Amino acid sequence: SQELEQSPQSLIVQEGKNLTINCTSSKTLYGLYWYKQKYGEGLIFLMMLQKGGEEKSHEKITAKLDEKKQQSSLHITASQPSHAGIYLCGADRTTDSWGKFQFGAGTQVVVTP
Amino acid sequence: DAGVIQSPRHEVTEMGQEVTLRCKPISGHNSLFWYRQTMMRGLELLIYFNNNVPIDDSGMPEDRFSAKMPNASFSTLKIQPSEPRDSAVYFCASTAVGSGANVLTFGAGSRLTVL
Repeated sequence: SQELEQSPQSLIVQEGKNLTINCTSSKTLYGLYWYKQKYGEGLIFLMMLQKGGEEKSHEKITAKLDEKKQQSSLHITASQPSHAGIYLCGADRTTDSWGKFQFGAGTQVVVTP
Repeated sequence: DAGVIQSPRHEVTEMGQEVTLRCKPISGHNSLFWYRQTMMRGLELLIYFNNNVPIDDSGMPEDRFSAKMPNASFSTLKIQPSEPRDSAVYFCASTAVGSGANVLTFGAGSRLTVL
């Protein structure tokens, strides 16, 4: 069973619009990772968050980890076709496990013209 | 570095046959993970190794699945006998545990189809 819940499961956004993906855990996260996957390919690392309240940005993608370290969000500003794909959050350290790197079910993003 | 290398990229086999998937992690990485991805179940962790030792294999579906890591540069995932429900994309990933941020690097995956 998945320990990380992602929402939404999928979303369709018009090019130029913003979007947000959420990742929630019932346990405190000590390492939260965001990856992107294109269909049929391996996962590509985007960002990693460790500290409560931490926020990181790369190009038009911003990720945050809340103060309680149980929820993270990924925000894309002014989406482009290159942002299409599956976004997965992953965690390797929680209050119950250490080193067991598991992922959420993923959020499929479709960007329309 | 060539990254994590998996072979074969595609495998089509008949039910009952043995399947062996191979993985070469990044040199210097001491932790290796095997995942299975399907539309229905998403990305599932099957087993992971630290320093060639299996740490957690609770995700291995059943006894038909086995994984080995004889040395730091090679791992195999074997399915014997294979069944149609084993059809999936199998990913291998590696990282250097103890470096602080355990960023996993994934291989391109092995797409298995069992007829």
